[in-house]
Amino acid sequence: KNEVEQSPQNLTAQEGEFITINCSYSVGISALHWLQQHPGGGIVSLFMLSSGKKKHGRLIATINIQEKHSSLHITASHPRDSAVYICAVLDSGGGADGLTFGKGTHLIIQP
Amino acid sequence: NAGVMQNPRHLVRRRGQEARLRCSPMKGHSHVYWYRQLPEEGLKFMVYLQKENIIDESGMPKERFSAEFPKEGPSILRIQQVVRGDSAAYFCASSVGLAGLGEQFFGPGTRLTVL
Repeated sequence: KNEVEQSPQNLTAQEGEFITINCSYSVGISALHWLQQHPGGGIVSLFMLSSGKKKHGRLIATINIQEKHSSLHITASHPRDSAVYICAVLDSGGGADGLTFGKGTHLIIQP
Repeated sequence: NAGVMQNPRHLVRRRGQEARLRCSPMKGHSHVYWYRQLPEEGLKFMVYLQKENIIDESGMPKERFSAEFPKEGPSILRIQQVVRGDSAAYFCASSVGLAGLGEQFFGPGTRLTVL
């Protein structure tokens, strides 16, 4: 079973700063998801990726399969980006077909 | 195209009662996943279903919990004789294809409180 580690656990930054959240996992995967969850809110899928890099607006996600590592970047951060960002992976080795989740990174962007 | 729908959004039950949580996948999606988020904990996989079939229930407690996804209608997660430890947010997600080949889209969750 995969183990997913995220860092940092908590991050407070000023509006406009460039944000990086890291995710590492222990065994091979078929896909990696980045999710966003606001307090008491639902979960929004930001990206699903299995290689390379994806960009959507101010969000960029990269993955290095060899190093078993992914990063989520937020450019020109804004207070509305404050949320929990969760990395989740889908194992490639069979077994459960559900996602394995990291514990999340609590991001606060101060005005 | 409506997203994944879950109802109720909030559910309060007393210990020993039954809880039924419903999930309607996105149109065209035939794969449903249920996840549980305990207070102050991360999300955990419970069960993966396709229409009329349970594909993997390795994350679901063996007793009191059951799930179905009938040919017609929503997927149902049923918890019998609820206990306080069942209080959590329950999320479902749906995808169009085989796990890993289809992005999972999440519903808004059902927040279950057991008194």
